[in-house]
Amino acid sequence: QKEVEQNSGPLSVPEGAIASLNCTYSDRGSQSFFWYRQYSGKSPELIMSIYSNGDKEDGRFTAQLNKASQYVSLLIRDSQPSDSATYLCAVKNGGYQKVTFGIGTKLQVIP
Amino acid sequence: SAVISQKPSRDICQRGTSLTIQCQVDSQVTMMFWYRQQPGQSLTLIATANQGSEATYESGFVIDKFPISRPNLTFSTLTVSNMSPEDSSIYLCSVEEDGLRAGYTFGSGTRLTVV
Repeated sequence: QKEVEQNSGPLSVPEGAIASLNCTYSDRGSQSFFWYRQYSGKSPELIMSIYSNGDKEDGRFTAQLNKASQYVSLLIRDSQPSDSATYLCAVKNGGYQKVTFGIGTKLQVIP
Repeated sequence: SAVISQKPSRDICQRGTSLTIQCQVDSQVTMMFWYRQQPGQSLTLIATANQGSEATYESGFVIDKFPISRPNLTFSTLTVSNMSPEDSSIYLCSVEEDGLRAGYTFGSGTRLTVV
């Protein structure tokens, strides 16, 4: 079983729609959860972090965490073509521990 | 957040040679991490570099192949030794931001092609 699982996609959504990206993780001791955006040919950029169950909103982005079900999701409202990228889910236990990344979901926002 | 300068940004190398990748951070950090990202795959941690001690390597990665230096709290190098085409990949350094729950910031990456 992979430690962090994501559907590689591509996930295609029309411009203005809500994009929903999902991630599951295997380690119940995980404490910190991150979403990174990676444009083609670029390095990953941290866009959201979440530590507690529930929702965390930042602009058009909402991260959702359910530790009991071991899943994390990212919602992108009013999707724009500029949101087209690969979104990486990442998990770590805490402190100076390594971060484990999922394979990433490729999102395509269709104008 | 920290700013990381990574170089070279890309290189094409002959098999059997070595390439050293450098990362310079604009602030002092305890740990630096080296990742590899192969086409269509996720980020795989190669090793964790602490200042003043030997790097800690992940399963499948060895010091002879990927020697790492960490001479101070703002700088690290990764060398890819005796390269083969299978080493063609993007190599990224990263640092952990302040705080136990913090995420990572990445350098711009080095795209390596071995021919």
